[in-house]
Amino acid sequence: GESVGLHLPTLSVQEGDNSIINCAYSNSASDYFIWYKQESGKGPQFIIDIRSNMDKRQGQRVTVLLNKTVKHLSLQIAATQPGDSAVYFCAENRGGGADGLTFGKGTHLIIQP
Amino acid sequence: DTAVSQTPKYLVTQMGNDKSIKCEQNLGHDTMYWYKQDSKKFLKIMFSYNNKELIINETVPNRFSPKSPDKAHLNLHINSLELGDSAVYFCASSQALNYGYTFGSGTRLTVV
Repeated sequence: GESVGLHLPTLSVQEGDNSIINCAYSNSASDYFIWYKQESGKGPQFIIDIRSNMDKRQGQRVTVLLNKTVKHLSLQIAATQPGDSAVYFCAENRGGGADGLTFGKGTHLIIQP
Repeated sequence: DTAVSQTPKYLVTQMGNDKSIKCEQNLGHDTMYWYKQDSKKFLKIMFSYNNKELIINETVPNRFSPKSPDKAHLNLHINSLELGDSAVYFCASSQALNYGYTFGSGTRLTVV
């Protein structure tokens, strides 16, 4: 089965609020994690990544947090905008990456005006 | 310039036919992949191809075969198409095995 999953299939937030999307993984060998954004009719787009030797990484309006103790990954989006509406996927690379990234089921982020 | 391009964007075909989807990347990446996205948006890897080494997901039927004429191309051939093959297929590439992927825009395959 999948080792990467998301707690909520849909997340609805008010424009301007902060969003937090969560992800759980079960493979302790995973050493690289990525968040992707997929808009309707498009391919997944890289947002931010983090390696297992870090617990936090920040980008422009986005922050990824990694808690290896509980095998939890989260994506925080600050001041959510209408253009943030999409499906968000977490993905893990299980040490060596020869078998590719394993994706979670995705969370649909809906921005309310 | 499109970094990872797939053609066609839409493909409608009858059961039993053989079809191909083309993928090209101009990023100079060493590794390319094919993913299948089902109706529930779940993304599952089918193949990864790195330096002439092909790694196949064991759940992929042998009707599916990747062909790589050079490092910049990884085409997907599908024989004897079945209704269950209907999905969106994404090509991707990465600098190396443990780096982020750049995805193409997808090919929506509909088998009727």
